Amino acid sequence: EVQLVESGGGLVQPGGSLRLSCAASGFTFSNHWMSWVRLAPGKGPEWVANIKKDGSERNHVDSVKGRFTVSRDNIKNSLYLQMDNLRAEDTAIYYCARGYSGDNLWGQGTLVTVSS
Amino acid sequence: DVVMTQSPLSLPVTLGQPASISCRSSQSIVSGDGNTYLNWFQQRPGQSPRRLIYKISDRDSGVPDRFSGSGSGTDFTLKISRVEAEDVGVYYCLQGTHWPPTFGQGTKVEIK
Repeated sequence: EVQLVESGGGLVQPGGSLRLSCAASGFTFSNHWMSWVRLAPGKGPEWVANIKKDGSERNHVDSVKGRFTVSRDNIKNSLYLQMDNLRAEDTAIYYCARGYSGDNLWGQGTLVTVSS
Repeated sequence: DVVMTQSPLSLPVTLGQPASISCRSSQSIVSGDGNTYLNWFQQRPGQSPRRLIYKISDRDSGVPDRFSGSGSGTDFTLKISRVEAEDVGVYYCLQGTHWPPTFGQGTKVEIK
């Protein structure tokens, strides 16, 4: 089955860290750009980061630059988002999506809550 | 960043009637390759976003043909020819031409 499954979300204190994972199956992972998108309560979706097929190019939105890092492992068919120095405003559902700007495959999302 | 402006933000519709959502970009989103990466997404309550339309007017596999996209330059439209109950949710336009990809504010479609 073609799918993306996120994991790693949870409750973390401000200043803390989390690592999100996205396991891909059913398609050739290494042939696709991959992205992370978040949806915060009461706000519209925000593109967080994306990464090229071979990992040679990565982009991060300004609001997370220097704190979040997107990476991938094409052997394990997995996408990652390392989130450091988390802030309350990072609270959101984080989705893994296939494609530079999202195609027709998205995960179910994982909830990240930053609170003391 | 490219600002995407949607209207209306709330759209009550009668079952079986048409609906239309507008999206305007703050600058041209025509890519250097000649394509315009304007997508439309649907997010039903409790679900992940689902892409309906890409490159202005191409419908994704499995999307009912009552959904159609049109437009050019900086003005784009999503139309639902006859709204069904399963169409309830929030609809977003997204430009994928310039980094970062940016969404409109969303249009909440509900049944009257």
